[in-house]
Order: sequence, then structure tokens, then C-alpha cells
Amino acid sequence: GENVEQHPSTLSVQEGDSAVIKCTYSDSASNYFPWYKQELGKGPQLIIDIRSNVGEKKDQRIAVTLNKTAKHFSLHITETQPEDSAVYFCAATDGNEKLTFGTGTRLTIIP
Amino acid sequence: DARVTQTPRDKVTEMGQEVTMRCQPILGHNTVFWYRQTMMQGLELLAYFRNRAPLDDSGMPKDRFSAEMPDATLATLKIQPSEPRDSAVYFCASGLGGGTEAFFGQGTRLTVV
Repeated sequence: GENVEQHPSTLSVQEGDSAVIKCTYSDSASNYFPWYKQELGKGPQLIIDIRSNVGEKKDQRIAVTLNKTAKHFSLHITETQPEDSAVYFCAATDGNEKLTFGTGTRLTIIP
Repeated sequence: DARVTQTPRDKVTEMGQEVTMRCQPILGHNTVFWYRQTMMQGLELLAYFRNRAPLDDSGMPKDRFSAEMPDATLATLKIQPSEPRDSAVYFCASGLGGGTEAFFGQGTRLTVV
């Protein structure tokens, strides 16, 4: 089955700086890669996703890149703000519904 | 405001007791997932359904866990008997399938003592 690895497990950045979280996946059939943000006491919420026919996608301060050859994808957050502090999860699926998550990154924005 | 609703939000029970967690998926969604979240294991997929039929429950301990969808508006996850190692946050999520967004509920925090 699919195996998704995520790094780093914790990340602290100064407010205004950029944050990058990286994930690798094992199943070459995976074609959908969402990123979720989880705040304390809440369920994960989708922030951005990318499909395998696209190399990069951007939404305001958030961007995701995908390298299918290397089987890795990354989340980039620019101009970080205190409200970006949360746990971020990457995930992968081959479209057969089985969404496999990475182990999460706890991002802390230092004011 | 469409959302996935889970009940109860918190449950404390004694070892050996039966626990039932309920989920109301977003109206119109045909795919329902159950995930378990712990510090050690992260988000584990326990089971998922498409059009109320179970597609995969290989992540679930079969001897004590069961998941069902009695109708399109209700999904249940049952543990019988419960054990301390079942303590975790259980999330239900729903979506339209085919590699699209899964919407998560607020979770049920289960503590088995």
C-alpha cells in the first residue's frame, strides 16, 4: 500500500519568513495530493491540493509543488503569520478513496 | 453551513464497555471515512464507505471494531469491548470520492480507563 513520509516533524519560523514542509510517497499510481491544516481541538481542514498532471499550484501565500519522478511534493507558506501556527498533514491517494496521511508537521510561528 | 457532525465530542468509558460513535456526513456526499488519530500513529484510516457499502476496513481490528452505515445520513463506529489502547480521537470525514476533498468532523475524543 501507499506510504507517505513527512518532514520535518516540528518547524519554528519567525513571523514573516517562509516555511517549507516536504513529503514523499511510495505508490507511483497516486495522483491526488492534498494538504490539511489542523488546529487544536479541531478536525483537519483542506488548505490546498494538487493533481499529478500539474507541477505547481498557488493560492495566495500557500503553494504546493509536485515532482512525480522523484515522488515528492512540498508545501510552501510565505510571509508567515501567527495564525499559520498549526499541525500540517500531507496525504496521497490513487483516486480509489484510500487517503493516506503523513505523520504531520507542527508549525510554530514566532512573533 | 454544510459540515460533518460527530457525536459525542468526548467519551470516557471503562474498559470492557461498548462504545458507539456517530457521524452525520454532509448531505449528498457518497464517501465516508473513519480515521483514528493518536500521537504515536498519526492519522490512521480505519474504514471507508462508498454509497453506504464498505470498500475497505483493513485498518480496523475486526475482533472488536465494527463500522456501518444504516442509511445515507448516519455512519457508526462501534467498539466492543473497549480497551485502554483504543483511547484516541476518532474522526469521520465525508466527500464525493474520486480523489476530491474530504471534509472532516470535529472528532470524538475517546478515553478508556
